[in-house]
Amino acid sequence: QITLKESGPTLVKPTQTLTLTCTFSGFSLSTIGVGVGWIRQPPGKALECLGIIYWDDDKRYSPSLKSRLTITKDTSKNQVVLTMTNMDPVDTATYYCAHYRMIQGVIRLDPWGQGTLVTVSS
Amino acid sequence: QPVLTQPPSSSASPGESARLTCTLPSDIDVATYNIYWYQQKPGSPPRYLLYYYSDSDKGQGSGVPSRFSGSKDASANTALLLISGLQSEDEADYYCMIWPSHVVFGGGTKLTVL
Repeated sequence: QITLKESGPTLVKPTQTLTLTCTFSGFSLSTIGVGVGWIRQPPGKALECLGIIYWDDDKRYSPSLKSRLTITKDTSKNQVVLTMTNMDPVDTATYYCAHYRMIQGVIRLDPWGQGTLVTVSS
Repeated sequence: QPVLTQPPSSSASPGESARLTCTLPSDIDVATYNIYWYQQKPGSPPRYLLYYYSDSDKGQGSGVPSRFSGSKDASANTALLLISGLQSEDEADYYCMIWPSHVVFGGGTKLTVL
C-alpha cells in the first residue's frame, strides 16, 4: 500500500523560504519510472502542479515558478523535500505530494497525501 | 503554460448522466494527448479516475466504477468525462489534466447531484 504524508510549517512570513517534506512508504524512488510530484491548491481554487522529481533525479518544474522552486530526494529515507523561496500571501494553499508513475507513456499521479495547509502572513 | 478550460459548475439529477467538458487551447490538439481526470471531494485530496486517449487506449483507476468514462470531441478540441447513473456520492469537483512537458490541470468543475 502506497502512502504519502506532507509535513512542515503551517505559517510562514512573506519573503521567507518554505520547506516541506513528503515522507512516503510502499514504493521506492529508485525504481525506474517512479517519481514524486508536488501540487498545490489555494483555498477554493484549482490544482497547480509545482514540479516532479523522478527516479533518476531529473526534475521538472512549473515554468511560472521554476526560479523559486527546488525539489530534492533522499531515497534512503523515503523522503522528498520541496523548497519555495520568497513566499507571498498568494502562495497560501494546501500543498500535496503524490506518487508518480509512468508506464508505456501513461502517467499517473496517484495516490496523494492528505495535504498540508500553508498560510503566508505577517 | 496551456490553459485547460472547464465550466465552473454543472448539475444533474440522480440516475441521469453528466457530461463534463475540458477544452484545450487551439495550439494543443486533443487528439494527440492522453487526458487524465481526477475527482476531489471536500476536505480530501484528489483521486485519480481514468485516462483517455482513444477507445482502444484508455484506463480506469483502481476501484473506479465503469460508470465513469472518457471521450473526446475533436471538432471542439475538447475532452469529456461521462458519468452515467449519477449517484449522490458523485457530487464533487472534477479536474482534467494533460502533460505536454509539464503537468497542467484544468480549472475544475463542481458537479452537483440535485
